[in-house]
Amino acid sequence: NAGVTQTPKFQVLKTGQSMTLQCAQDMNHNSMYWYRQDPGMGLRLIYYSASEGTTDKGEVPNGYNVSRLNKREFSLRLESAAPSQTSVYFCASSAGDGANVLTFGAGSRLTVL
Amino acid sequence: GQSLEQPSEVTAVEGAIVQINCTYQTSGFYGLSWYQQHDGGAPTFLSYNGLDGLEETGRFSSFLSRSDSYGYLLLQELQMKDSASYFCAVDSGYSTLTFGKGTMLLVSP
Repeated sequence: NAGVTQTPKFQVLKTGQSMTLQCAQDMNHNSMYWYRQDPGMGLRLIYYSASEGTTDKGEVPNGYNVSRLNKREFSLRLESAAPSQTSVYFCASSAGDGANVLTFGAGSRLTVL
Repeated sequence: GQSLEQPSEVTAVEGAIVQINCTYQTSGFYGLSWYQQHDGGAPTFLSYNGLDGLEETGRFSSFLSRSDSYGYLLLQELQMKDSASYFCAVDSGYSTLTFGKGTMLLVSP
């Protein structure tokens, strides 16, 4: 099984450009998440989808939008990128029950110039 | 709001035992998890405590005291490959995890 697959792995944008990070999971998980990781800041939740058809804001949602396209796919969109959005982005999924164990993708390193 | 506190860095030598503490303040609490992240990699799940006490998984153990809002990760028989960042995370019952800022563990020969 591939687990959680996110693309692209690396991306360089100019300020004001838009882009979409794609994420897909093949574990039949109900819940999906987008986190960003910055040095010394840990993992901060941007948006999540507890189940197909629902999305909710996390701790740092400003400047982002998400789409839960179906049970497998959860995309993150930057409409007008800013240098403050330079970060490593992780998609994750979980069954959404019990210990709520998250399985993470390999990460997408985004640089906004 | 929610906050988790853990040391930023811990150093130890191969074969030693190290404990990484985590204290938390959250509006709700279902459980405390621990994740490991090697440099450049993705976080991976290590352990979960939903009830007070000790959970053991091989060389790793995790402890929780709900009354003290405190937990720790214990790593025994340290190996060089254990050099990584370790994150505690709280499940406060809103389908999400809130992560601490991470503890970088450096294991030296």
